[in-house]
Amino acid sequence: DTGVSQNPRHKITKRGQNVTFRCDPISEHNRLYWYRQTLGQGPEFLTYFQNEAQLEKSRLLSDRFSAERPKGSFSTLEIQRTEQGDSAMYLCASSLADQIDTQYFGPGTRLTVL
Amino acid sequence: DAKTTQPNSMESNEEEPVHLPCNHSTISGTDYIHWYRQLPSQGPEYVIHGLTSNVNNRMASLAIAEDRKSSTLILHRATLRDAAVYYCILSAVGSGGSNYKLTFGKGTLLTVNP
Repeated sequence: DTGVSQNPRHKITKRGQNVTFRCDPISEHNRLYWYRQTLGQGPEFLTYFQNEAQLEKSRLLSDRFSAERPKGSFSTLEIQRTEQGDSAMYLCASSLADQIDTQYFGPGTRLTVL
Repeated sequence: DAKTTQPNSMESNEEEPVHLPCNHSTISGTDYIHWYRQLPSQGPEYVIHGLTSNVNNRMASLAIAEDRKSSTLILHRATLRDAAVYYCILSAVGSGGSNYKLTFGKGTLLTVNP
Protein backbone atom coordinates (compact mmCIF):
# COMPACT_ATOMS: atom_id res chain seq x y z
CA ASP A 1 0.00 0.00 0.00
CA THR A 2 1.58 3.30 -1.07
CA GLY A 3 -0.89 5.63 0.63
CA VAL A 4 -0.38 7.85 3.68
CA SER A 5 -0.08 5.86 6.88
CA GLN A 6 -0.52 7.01 10.45
CA ASN A 7 0.34 5.34 13.73
CA PRO A 8 -1.12 4.60 16.11
CA ARG A 9 -4.69 4.53 14.84
CA HIS A 10 -6.07 4.98 18.34
CA LYS A 11 -4.55 6.41 21.49
CA ILE A 12 -6.12 6.68 24.92
CA THR A 13 -4.20 8.64 27.49
CA LYS A 14 -4.71 10.32 30.82
CA ARG A 15 -4.77 14.06 31.18
CA GLY A 16 -1.30 15.45 31.65
CA GLN A 17 0.52 12.73 29.73
CA ASN A 18 2.53 13.33 26.56
CA VAL A 19 1.63 11.62 23.31
CA THR A 20 3.36 11.35 19.94
CA PHE A 21 1.83 10.46 16.59
CA ARG A 22 3.64 9.45 13.44
CA CYS A 23 2.75 10.09 9.79
CA ASP A 24 4.41 8.42 6.81
CA PRO A 25 3.52 10.32 3.63
CA ILE A 26 3.47 9.05 0.07
CA SER A 27 7.15 8.66 -0.75
CA GLU A 28 7.61 11.24 -3.49
CA HIS A 29 5.47 13.91 -1.80
CA ASN A 30 7.38 16.86 -0.44
CA ARG A 31 4.51 18.62 1.34
CA LEU A 32 3.02 17.28 4.53
CA TYR A 33 0.05 18.69 6.43
CA TRP A 34 -1.46 18.04 9.85
CA TYR A 35 -5.14 18.65 10.55
CA ARG A 36 -7.36 18.11 13.58
CA GLN A 37 -11.00 17.04 13.42
CA THR A 38 -13.50 17.07 16.25
CA LEU A 39 -16.84 15.33 16.18
CA GLY A 40 -19.29 16.83 13.69
CA GLN A 41 -16.81 19.32 12.29
CA GLY A 42 -14.63 19.39 9.21
CA PRO A 43 -10.86 19.04 9.61
CA GLU A 44 -8.96 22.15 10.76
CA PHE A 45 -5.47 22.98 9.55
CA LEU A 46 -2.70 22.77 12.16
CA THR A 47 0.62 23.01 10.35
CA TYR A 48 2.46 22.14 7.15
CA PHE A 49 5.95 21.23 5.97
CA GLN A 50 7.68 21.59 2.69
CA ASN A 51 10.43 18.99 2.86
CA GLU A 52 11.88 19.38 6.38
CA ALA A 53 10.91 23.03 6.82
CA GLN A 54 7.83 23.85 8.86
CA LEU A 55 6.41 26.79 6.93
CA GLU A 56 3.17 27.60 8.68
CA LYS A 57 1.50 26.95 12.02
CA SER A 58 -2.12 27.64 12.89
CA ARG A 59 -3.10 29.55 16.00
CA LEU A 60 -4.73 26.27 17.04
CA LEU A 61 -1.25 24.86 17.56
CA SER A 62 -0.55 25.93 21.13
CA ASP A 63 2.93 25.71 22.64
CA ARG A 64 2.06 22.25 23.95
CA PHE A 65 2.05 21.01 20.36
CA SER A 66 5.18 20.43 18.33
CA ALA A 67 5.63 18.88 14.93
CA GLU A 68 8.78 17.76 13.19
CA ARG A 69 9.79 16.32 9.86
CA PRO A 70 13.49 15.77 10.42
CA LYS A 71 14.57 14.30 7.09
CA GLY A 72 11.76 15.50 4.93
CA SER A 73 10.09 12.11 5.00
CA PHE A 74 7.98 10.99 7.98
CA SER A 75 6.61 13.49 10.48
CA THR A 76 5.75 13.37 14.16
CA LEU A 77 3.22 15.42 16.09
CA GLU A 78 3.73 15.59 19.84
CA ILE A 79 1.26 16.90 22.38
CA GLN A 80 2.65 17.63 25.83
CA ARG A 81 0.55 17.74 29.00
CA THR A 82 -2.57 16.59 27.21
CA GLU A 83 -5.93 18.12 28.10
CA GLN A 84 -9.41 16.72 27.56
CA GLY A 85 -9.95 19.34 24.87
CA ASP A 86 -7.19 17.71 22.82
CA SER A 87 -9.43 14.71 22.20
CA ALA A 88 -9.91 14.60 18.43
CA MET A 89 -8.92 12.84 15.23
CA TYR A 90 -5.49 13.95 14.04
CA LEU A 91 -5.16 13.68 10.28
CA CYS A 92 -2.04 13.80 8.16
CA ALA A 93 -2.00 14.56 4.45
CA SER A 94 0.71 14.77 1.83
CA SER A 95 0.99 16.32 -1.60
CA LEU A 96 3.31 17.20 -4.44
CA ALA A 97 4.33 20.83 -4.58
CA ASP A 98 2.56 21.46 -7.85
CA GLN A 99 0.00 24.06 -8.76
CA ILE A 100 -3.03 22.06 -7.74
CA ASP A 101 -1.59 20.43 -4.61
CA THR A 102 -4.12 17.64 -4.30
CA GLN A 103 -3.83 16.33 -0.76
CA TYR A 104 -3.92 12.65 0.11
CA PHE A 105 -5.04 11.91 3.63
CA GLY A 106 -4.15 9.13 6.00
CA PRO A 107 -6.73 7.31 8.12
CA GLY A 108 -6.02 9.48 11.15
CA THR A 109 -5.10 8.90 14.77
CA ARG A 110 -7.99 9.14 17.19
CA LEU A 111 -6.88 10.57 20.52
CA THR A 112 -8.99 10.23 23.65
CA VAL A 113 -7.82 12.08 26.74
CA LEU A 114 -9.43 10.84 29.95
CA ASP B 1 -10.47 32.82 2.91
CA ALA B 2 -13.37 32.73 0.47
CA LYS B 3 -16.30 30.91 2.02
CA THR B 4 -18.49 28.15 0.66
CA THR B 5 -22.07 27.30 1.58
CA GLN B 6 -23.45 23.78 1.31
CA PRO B 7 -26.65 22.12 2.49
CA ASN B 8 -26.18 20.23 5.74
CA SER B 9 -27.57 17.00 4.34
CA MET B 10 -29.02 15.37 1.23
CA GLU B 11 -30.58 12.04 0.50
CA SER B 12 -30.50 9.93 -2.61
CA ASN B 13 -31.55 6.51 -3.81
CA GLU B 14 -29.08 3.96 -5.02
CA GLU B 15 -28.30 4.07 -8.75
CA GLU B 16 -29.84 7.52 -9.14
CA PRO B 17 -27.86 10.67 -9.97
CA VAL B 18 -26.98 13.05 -7.15
CA HIS B 19 -26.36 16.77 -7.53
CA LEU B 20 -24.54 18.33 -4.59
CA PRO B 21 -24.61 22.15 -4.70
CA CYS B 22 -22.05 24.61 -3.39
CA ASN B 23 -22.28 28.40 -3.30
CA HIS B 24 -19.12 30.48 -3.30
CA SER B 25 -20.20 33.99 -4.14
CA THR B 26 -16.93 35.60 -2.96
CA ILE B 27 -14.68 33.39 -5.09
CA SER B 28 -11.68 35.15 -6.57
CA GLY B 29 -10.24 34.68 -10.02
CA THR B 30 -7.34 32.59 -8.72
CA ASP B 31 -9.42 30.17 -6.61
CA TYR B 32 -9.73 26.56 -7.63
CA ILE B 33 -12.88 24.70 -6.58
CA HIS B 34 -12.05 21.39 -4.91
CA TRP B 35 -14.31 18.62 -3.72
CA TYR B 36 -13.25 16.12 -1.12
CA ARG B 37 -15.35 13.51 0.60
CA GLN B 38 -14.99 11.70 3.89
CA LEU B 39 -16.38 8.24 4.35
CA PRO B 40 -17.22 7.11 7.88
CA SER B 41 -14.11 6.52 10.01
CA GLN B 42 -11.72 7.49 7.21
CA GLY B 43 -9.65 10.52 6.27
CA PRO B 44 -10.90 12.84 3.54
CA GLU B 45 -10.49 11.71 -0.05
CA TYR B 46 -9.96 13.90 -3.11
CA VAL B 47 -12.85 13.77 -5.57
CA ILE B 48 -12.36 16.43 -8.24
CA HIS B 49 -11.30 20.02 -8.83
CA GLY B 50 -11.86 22.72 -11.43
CA LEU B 51 -11.20 26.36 -12.23
CA THR B 52 -13.62 27.55 -14.90
CA SER B 53 -14.66 24.68 -17.16
CA ASN B 54 -16.73 21.66 -16.28
CA VAL B 55 -14.65 18.63 -15.38
CA ASN B 56 -15.19 14.89 -15.49
CA ASN B 57 -13.25 12.08 -13.92
CA ARG B 58 -13.94 8.47 -13.01
CA MET B 59 -15.53 9.43 -9.72
CA ALA B 60 -17.73 12.40 -10.56
CA SER B 61 -18.39 15.48 -12.67
CA LEU B 62 -18.02 19.08 -11.62
CA ALA B 63 -20.29 21.68 -13.17
CA ILE B 64 -19.15 25.27 -12.61
CA ALA B 65 -21.50 28.21 -13.16
CA GLU B 66 -20.44 30.74 -15.76
CA ASP B 67 -19.93 33.44 -13.10
CA ARG B 68 -18.13 30.87 -10.90
CA LYS B 69 -20.24 31.79 -7.90
CA SER B 70 -21.61 28.30 -7.57
CA SER B 71 -20.76 24.75 -8.55
CA THR B 72 -22.37 21.33 -8.47
CA LEU B 73 -20.77 17.98 -7.85
CA ILE B 74 -22.55 15.29 -9.83
CA LEU B 75 -22.43 11.62 -8.94
CA HIS B 76 -23.95 9.93 -11.96
CA ARG B 77 -25.15 6.76 -10.24
CA ALA B 78 -25.00 6.80 -6.47
CA THR B 79 -23.99 3.63 -4.69
CA LEU B 80 -24.11 2.80 -1.01
CA ARG B 81 -20.33 3.36 -0.93
CA ASP B 82 -20.90 7.01 -1.88
CA ALA B 83 -22.51 7.73 1.48
CA ALA B 84 -20.14 10.29 2.99
CA VAL B 85 -19.67 13.93 3.94
CA TYR B 86 -18.84 15.96 0.85
CA TYR B 87 -16.77 19.11 1.24
CA CYS B 88 -16.57 21.96 -1.28
CA ILE B 89 -13.36 23.94 -0.75
CA LEU B 90 -11.70 26.90 -2.43
CA SER B 91 -7.95 27.28 -2.61
CA ALA B 92 -5.82 29.84 -4.35
CA VAL B 93 -3.57 29.03 -7.26
CA GLY B 94 0.15 29.62 -7.13
CA SER B 95 2.23 31.69 -4.68
CA GLY B 96 3.31 28.87 -2.43
CA GLY B 97 2.11 26.02 -0.34
CA SER B 98 0.56 28.03 2.44
CA ASN B 99 -2.28 28.95 0.13
CA TYR B 100 -3.05 25.29 -0.29
CA LYS B 101 -4.11 24.55 3.24
CA LEU B 102 -7.63 23.26 2.91
CA THR B 103 -10.31 25.13 4.84
CA PHE B 104 -13.09 22.64 5.45
CA GLY B 105 -16.61 23.65 6.40
CA LYS B 106 -19.11 21.16 7.76
CA GLY B 107 -19.89 19.78 4.30
CA THR B 108 -22.98 17.94 3.09
CA LEU B 109 -23.82 14.58 4.60
CA LEU B 110 -25.05 12.39 1.75
CA THR B 111 -27.26 9.47 2.66
CA VAL B 112 -27.85 6.83 -0.02
CA ASN B 113 -30.91 4.65 0.37
CA PRO B 114 -30.88 1.10 -1.01
